[in-house]
Amino acid sequence: EDKVVQSPLSLVVHEGDTVTLNCSYEVTNFRSLLWYKQEKKAPTFLFMLTSSGIEKKSGRLSSILDKKELFSILNITATQTGDSAVYLCAVEAIQGTYKYIFGTGTRLKVLA
Amino acid sequence: EAGVVQSPRYKIIEKKQPVAFWCNPISGHNTLYWYLQNLGQGPELLIRYENEEAVDDSQLPKDRFSAERLKGVDSTLKIQPAELGDSAVYLCASSPTGRSYEQYFGPGTRLTVT
Repeated sequence: EDKVVQSPLSLVVHEGDTVTLNCSYEVTNFRSLLWYKQEKKAPTFLFMLTSSGIEKKSGRLSSILDKKELFSILNITATQTGDSAVYLCAVEAIQGTYKYIFGTGTRLKVLA
Repeated sequence: EAGVVQSPRYKIIEKKQPVAFWCNPISGHNTLYWYLQNLGQGPELLIRYENEEAVDDSQLPKDRFSAERLKGVDSTLKIQPAELGDSAVYLCASSPTGRSYEQYFGPGTRLTVT
């Protein structure tokens, strides 16, 4: 059965801290891994990763994929209270057609 | 540019009643998704449309759920009859052709079945 597991489930840090969120997966016919940020409403797209070892970066956020060990990490440096959200990892797999399997998310709270 | 629009935002119904959710995707996005999200869980795909064709409905409980996307734009998701376990947030998303990873989600409809 396909699964995407995120850890930790929740995290509380102070502004300025650096955090690392983990996503591991077991899926058939992996195609890509996606990170989304979900605040009070709907998820918003952050990154898509398809190749191992190539870091994607956007401001203070960065992510990397390891297709051999089947995991990805999302790093946030110099955290701000606006980073507080649930971070969702999703894996795209090709199984007849393409499917997205989401993890349960990591709830990050950044304290001022 | 307007985002994905969903209505209603909240709905409370009694079990065994029917309910319908509406979604208007971003203009020009051919792919539309309906997801179900339970509290503390990630979204789970119910159905995906490419234009007006449902290309993946394998996770849609067809005994009580139905969906349509007439003319390949707006979409409606219906539950009849609703059960207590259907209480969840129903998210609609759309993506541009060829960029399925770049899904834009609507605000969701929070359904409570009593």
